[in-house]
Amino acid sequence: GAVVSQHPSRVICKSGTSVKIECRSLDFQATTMFWYRQFPKQSLMLMATSNEGSKATYEQGVEKDKFLINHASLTLSTLTVTSAHPEDSSFYICSASGAGGRGDTQYFGPGTRLTVL
Amino acid sequence: DAKTTQPTSMDCAEGRAANLPCNHSTISGNEYVYWYRQIHSQGPQYIIHGLKNNETNEMASLIITEDRKSSTLILPHATLRDTAVYYCIVRALYNQGGKLIFGQGTELSVKP
Repeated sequence: GAVVSQHPSRVICKSGTSVKIECRSLDFQATTMFWYRQFPKQSLMLMATSNEGSKATYEQGVEKDKFLINHASLTLSTLTVTSAHPEDSSFYICSASGAGGRGDTQYFGPGTRLTVL
Repeated sequence: DAKTTQPTSMDCAEGRAANLPCNHSTISGNEYVYWYRQIHSQGPQYIIHGLKNNETNEMASLIITEDRKSSTLILPHATLRDTAVYYCIVRALYNQGGKLIFGQGTELSVKP
């Protein structure tokens, strides 16, 4: 149980284009989902927290207009990287937890490798 | 959330127990200790968590000191597939939406 999937696993795009990444909880209802990114040889950095049906809460320094997050259902959240540039190339990982994410375990997706040319 | 301190790297022989320490001297009474691991180029995998008592599951054991200022994750019989970065995270229950803040973790290398 507690499986989280991401799609696509890998994406290459041209500079200036937008890329959408999906995160799905396959066997539980995720009231809270989290988006992280990870640069090579670094730890995970939290980007934003999203609750189903609400606007996402972004961490300091993360541009909300560049990283659009939608959490329209209890099993799906999407991250759209708008007007991507090479510096946005990174490993993007989502996690999900149920029951409002308070005191509940977070389960992570396998990650999406984004390369912007 | 309280900060944690972990050794940067550790080695362990295959088949032996791997003991990964974590210091969290500023932990608060309502904060859990969580352990995750990340195998290269994959998403983190949940291992175990605890509040006060020692915990055991099919993957590992978690030993928390009585004063809760440190803990040890024990992989009883390490295999090559346990090679990964292990993260010890202290998480507040009702603050900040339950988010996890990752440190640098311990890079565990299991050697034949």
